[in-house]
Amino acid sequence: EVQLVESGGGLVQPGRSLRLSCAASGFTFDDYAMHWVRQAPGKGLEWVSGISWNSGSIGYADSVKGRFTISRDNAKNSLYLQMNSLRAEDTALYYCAKDRGCGGGSCYTFDYWGQGTLVTVSS
Amino acid sequence: DIQMTQSPSSLSASVGDRVTITCQASQDISNYLNWYQQKPGKAPKLLIYDASNLETGVPSRFSGSGSGTDFTFTISSLQPEDIATYYCQQYDNLHGTFGQGTKVEIK
Repeated sequence: EVQLVESGGGLVQPGRSLRLSCAASGFTFDDYAMHWVRQAPGKGLEWVSGISWNSGSIGYADSVKGRFTISRDNAKNSLYLQMNSLRAEDTALYYCAKDRGCGGGSCYTFDYWGQGTLVTVSS
Repeated sequence: DIQMTQSPSSLSASVGDRVTITCQASQDISNYLNWYQQKPGKAPKLLIYDASNLETGVPSRFSGSGSGTDFTFTISSLQPEDIATYYCQQYDNLHGTFGQGTKVEIK
C-alpha cells in the first residue's frame, strides 16, 4: 500500500524558514517523480514544486521560485521542501504527491497523496 | 504560463442527473489534462488522466474528453457520494496548474 506521510509543518514568523519532509513507502520511490501541492485555507489547489526520480529535472511555481527548494533522498525514501523567506500567503496545507509516471519520465499527474502538513505563517 | 479556466465554480444537481464541468486552457496543451475529486477534509483523488483515461478503480460514471484547449468532465448519473469539489489540472514544461475548482452539491 502506498503511503505518504508529511511532517515539519507548524507556526512560523514571516521571513523565517521551515523544512517539510515526506516519508514514502509501499512503492519503489526512486522510480517516480514527486511533488508538493498546497491548499490555502478554504481555497483551491496550487502545485508548488516537482522533482524527477533522479533530481535531474526540477520545477517550481512562480509564486515560490527563488524561495523554496525541493530535494529528495532516494536512500531514505524521502522528499523535502525547504521554505525560506516565508510570507503570510504561504499559509496552507502542504501535500506530498507521487507522480503517476509515464514512460519513465514525469507527467505531473498525481496518483497518490499524503494527508498534508499545515504551515501557518504569522507574527 | 498556461492559465486554466474552470466553470462553473459551483453547481447543484439532483441524484441521477448528468453533470458537466468544463476547463479551458489559455493555449494548446494537447491531452495533458487531469481531473481530481476532493471531498471535505480529505486529500484529492485522481479520477481522469490524459484527458480521457479513467484511473484504476474509479467508477465508470466518471468520464473526460477534449484536447487542445477545451476539456469536459462528466458524471453521467450523480450519486450522493459524488458531493465534492472537482479540479482540472494541466501539465507542461515542468509546471502543473490547477483550475479554480467546481463545488458539486445535491439539490
